[in-house]
Amino acid sequence: EPEVTQTPSHQVTQMGQEVILRCVPISNHLYFYWYRQILGQKVEFLVSFYNNEISEKSEIFDDQFSVERPDGSNFTLKIRSTKLEDSAMYFCASTGRFTGELFFGEGSRLTVL
Amino acid sequence: KNEVEQSPQNLTAQEGEFITINCSYSVGISALHWLQQHPGGGIVSLFMLSSGKKKHGRLIATINIQEKHSSLHITASHPRDSAVYICVESSGSRLTFGEGTQLTVNP
Repeated sequence: EPEVTQTPSHQVTQMGQEVILRCVPISNHLYFYWYRQILGQKVEFLVSFYNNEISEKSEIFDDQFSVERPDGSNFTLKIRSTKLEDSAMYFCASTGRFTGELFFGEGSRLTVL
Repeated sequence: KNEVEQSPQNLTAQEGEFITINCSYSVGISALHWLQQHPGGGIVSLFMLSSGKKKHGRLIATINIQEKHSSLHITASHPRDSAVYICVESSGSRLTFGEGTQLTVNP
């Protein structure tokens, strides 16, 4: 069964460091998403991506965040200068069409010290 | 502003009981998703609905577009159903998540 894979599964970093989280969506999917979940809180939408550009982004997705699909398979989330409050589980998801079934990765846990 | 409200927040049931989790949303949607989040954190999509009703095994999801309401039902609940169930509305390319319902099914 096709799956979305995310790396790393857990990353610990110092405040102010850059972090790149990687996702490999399902190969024929066209729409990609990043979400995050701070411990004990609900899942929050960060950004959606289609046709090599951002479709929509939330208020959380400020200038410290960027997304890229550098090589047609990976979909990355970069946090330029991490803050303590960026500590969360980050989920990538993909779907084959605009309102299609979502397929989630297992998540990348980011801990900022 | 899109709002998604779920009830109850927490639900404890005995094995075999019929479970209902409710979701209300505030704006017109493209689709409504029900997700299951396991204790380890992984998220699985259960249903994607734009109208009517869907069934998969012991799970049934319904949606009433006019009332902006959806329900997730679990028949003959089992301890392995214990998880957080999340309602998500899809409007455009943005998804808005509910707070989730923590379900615990005791043997």
